[in-house]
Amino acid sequence: DSGVTQTPKHLITATGQRVTLRCSPRSGDLSVYWYQQSLDQGLQFLIQYYNGEERAKGNILERFSAQQFPDLHSELNLSSLELGDSALYFCASSDRLAHIDTQYFGPGTRLTVL
Amino acid sequence: GNSVTQMEGPVTLSEEAFLTINCTYTATGYPSLFWYVQYPGEGLQLLLKATKADDKGSNKGFEATYRKETTSFHLEKGSVQVSDSAVYFCALSGVTGGGNKLTFGTGTQLKVEL
Repeated sequence: DSGVTQTPKHLITATGQRVTLRCSPRSGDLSVYWYQQSLDQGLQFLIQYYNGEERAKGNILERFSAQQFPDLHSELNLSSLELGDSALYFCASSDRLAHIDTQYFGPGTRLTVL
Repeated sequence: GNSVTQMEGPVTLSEEAFLTINCTYTATGYPSLFWYVQYPGEGLQLLLKATKADDKGSNKGFEATYRKETTSFHLEKGSVQVSDSAVYFCALSGVTGGGNKLTFGTGTQLKVEL
């Protein structure tokens, strides 16, 4: 158990809908990262927050947004969903902002768009 | 940009065989290097890491050495067990914008048979 929690574990929804994925980092960790894992794209970095502020952005679609709240939990919002958004979404956390720090991953949220 | 090239799978070995999974990288600066393992239906778990050239990461019988001259971080284990069956990801962590991110290889599926 990494100490990172993600809810829900599974989500099934329809095209055009909007969903919110939630992540609670390990106790004391200030950095939160979101990754997408799909069969065709592999594991892709989406976005990083550190202590409430966005710090790095990857190949995140404009339809996707994220935020980190004062209690350090984070939410990833996916809107106008398309079939191709079906994937496993992972949250990870680390204690600081340094690239030498280990990122600890949650169990993931499996999103299925029908 | 940063990239990771990983040995194609699947790899099938008999129990107690020697394992090597090749990983090479392209990066600017001084990245940290990681191996993560993903068991079926689970998130990514850190297996080992190395943060500078010539460092050797090790855990649970697995080892990998950060070779800057060959830009490699090959994973090895002297004697694999059935319980090692999983997907292994090589990753590098580098600075991006005001933060940092992991760049992953495509993953190598390992199957160990009795």
